[in-house]
Amino acid sequence: GQNIDQPTEMTATEGAIVQINCTYQTSGFNGLFWYQQHAGEAPTFLSYNVLDGLEEKGRFSSFLSRSKGYSYLLLKELQMKDSASYLCAVRDSNYQLIWGAGTKLIIKP
Amino acid sequence: DTGVSQDPRHKITKRGQNVTFRCDPISEHNRLYWYRQTLGQGPEFLTYFQNEAQLEKSRLLSDRFSAERPKGSFSTLEIQRTEQGDSAMYLCASSLVTGDGRNEKLFFGSGTQLSVL
Repeated sequence: GQNIDQPTEMTATEGAIVQINCTYQTSGFNGLFWYQQHAGEAPTFLSYNVLDGLEEKGRFSSFLSRSKGYSYLLLKELQMKDSASYLCAVRDSNYQLIWGAGTKLIIKP
Repeated sequence: DTGVSQDPRHKITKRGQNVTFRCDPISEHNRLYWYRQTLGQGPEFLTYFQNEAQLEKSRLLSDRFSAERPKGSFSTLEIQRTEQGDSAMYLCASSLVTGDGRNEKLFFGSGTQLSVL
């Protein structure tokens, strides 16, 4: 079967750095996405990785290792507004998106 | 507003009633997806359209669910004879796919929150 694993919940302090991990087992791989979702709102696109390595975009970076079936989302200089769920999704060999359950990130002052 | 819009934002219905939701995608987007999401879970794929053609429907989806995209623009999702287990957020997403779609990026609407009493 296909599976995406992420921690259910993480807590971090305002101004700090947090890393959210995602491991996957899918039938094929055609890219990995990270989305942010605030409570009661729609998911919004954060990043896309298809090749190994680090993609940096402002305070957010995303890393991919295809051989390990592993990705992480790194958030720097955390702000209270970063409190949200972070969803990892993998596009499989049929170009379908397989979604993780999301990681709820709680930022404390 | 040029984003994906969904209507209504909230729907409360009694068990056994039929409900219909509407999604207006970003105008130039050729693909439209319907997902269902419950609290603490990721989006669950329901169905998707390429222009007006419905290309895939989840095998787990009950035949009480039907979706249309008659002119390749807006789409409707109907649930017949609603059950309490249908209570969820129904999300619509659209995308512009060119080539093999490898870097397809989905844009989501704000969703319709359905509560079945």
